Amino acid sequence: QLQLQESGPRLVKPSETLSLTCAVSGDSISSSNYYWDWIRQPPGKELEWIGNIHSTGTTYYKASLKSRVTMSVDASKNQFSLKLSSVTAADTAAYYCARHKADDNRFESWGRGTPVTVSS
Amino acid sequence: DIQMTQSPSSLSASVGDRVTITCRASENIDNSLAWYQHKPGKPPRLLIFFASLFQRGVPSRFRGSGSGTDFTLTIYSLQPEDFATYFCQQSFRTPFTFGGGTKVEIK
Repeated sequence: QLQLQESGPRLVKPSETLSLTCAVSGDSISSSNYYWDWIRQPPGKELEWIGNIHSTGTTYYKASLKSRVTMSVDASKNQFSLKLSSVTAADTAAYYCARHKADDNRFESWGRGTPVTVSS
Repeated sequence: DIQMTQSPSSLSASVGDRVTITCRASENIDNSLAWYQHKPGKPPRLLIFFASLFQRGVPSRFRGSGSGTDFTLTIYSLQPEDFATYFCQQSFRTPFTFGGGTKVEIK
């Protein structure tokens, strides 16, 4: 069974870069039929899709975040990563990694999420 | 971006009740809608995709319906393990967007 586990600092200072990793177990991140996504939920707000990456390196980012987002895949470690630069308090959220099938865009597996607070 | 409006934001119900949650898209998304269940401290769980198809292992008391802009998730005979937050997601095009969630609480 696929399992996803987010990890990374829970506290990030304003203007710095938020870095998170999602460890994948139970399947290969190189599976061609899937995309690997990052989604976040600020306190009291709805979920927001950040973007995704395919094992080939193809990425799709939400337009409003595109200038600050970088995603990457490390197939040797079976994990993928998110970097969000120049963070502000508005980036405080629970961050989730997830997987979706390329042909139907359903998020069939998610991590438990990790809280990240942006504060000095 | 496609806006997803979900209602109600919360509801109280008893075990055995039938519960209905609605989700409205700001434009036609055909049947490209998924429903999820989320409990604190656990990963969100996919229940329904393509508006009415069951994800493997989901009990049949969860039913999805709708197409175009209006969708419904119905839980027939609410069970104790069903108290959770439910949210919808449009899978029609990026950026994928989500409803605000419905918290189902015990009456």
